[in-house]
Amino acid sequence: GAGVSQSPSNKVTEKGKDVELRCDPISGHTALYWYRQSLGQGLEFLIYFQGNSAPDKSGLPSDRFSAERTGGSVSTLTIQRTQQEDSAVYLCASSQQMGTDTQYFGPGTRLTVL
Amino acid sequence: AQSVTQLDSQVPVFEEAPVELRCNYSSSVSVYLFWYVQYPNQGLQLLLKYLSGSTLVESINGFEAEFNKSQTSFHLRKPSVHISDTAEYFCAATSGGYNKLIFGAGTRLAVHP
Repeated sequence: GAGVSQSPSNKVTEKGKDVELRCDPISGHTALYWYRQSLGQGLEFLIYFQGNSAPDKSGLPSDRFSAERTGGSVSTLTIQRTQQEDSAVYLCASSQQMGTDTQYFGPGTRLTVL
Repeated sequence: AQSVTQLDSQVPVFEEAPVELRCNYSSSVSVYLFWYVQYPNQGLQLLLKYLSGSTLVESINGFEAEFNKSQTSFHLRKPSVHISDTAEYFCAATSGGYNKLIFGAGTRLAVHP
């Protein structure tokens, strides 16, 4: 079946602009995660959704970052007033449910803030 | 808080030689451990995982890792590497029933002919 998909694959934006990154999880997966991969910080957890529960936002670096998940499926990560330090690869992952289920990662969106 | 340490940022090795990529985790009541691999220009893929039971876990492409509770380690090994194993390898951990992954900094394995 289809894996996790993310769009766009690359995004170049100017400092101060808002960006939206999209993630389509594997069908039937109830858990969805966002991570960020950057040269200075490695792979960092950002936010986690599980079914209809309130998301765990503990990894979001600032209030400029937000995410939503509509209908328990597609998720959008929004970064407002982008800064150069936001440049990174943003990875989405999904798993069947919470617990020890394997997380399957998408190819990522490479964000470059000029 | 949970943390994961990968002791080597880069490991160069010749083809058909053995390799060990080291990973240590901070002690926790219960811990689940993973190795992910990222091939050049590709996404993260699960290589193997330890949840419970046998402390030695294997992947389909010849890698194995051993969970060592006393050493808080989960080192990845392969007895004979191929050029195609060139990639970045990430050790990750989670604890309890909540699987937010905490990643190590990664180890870049470079296999030379």
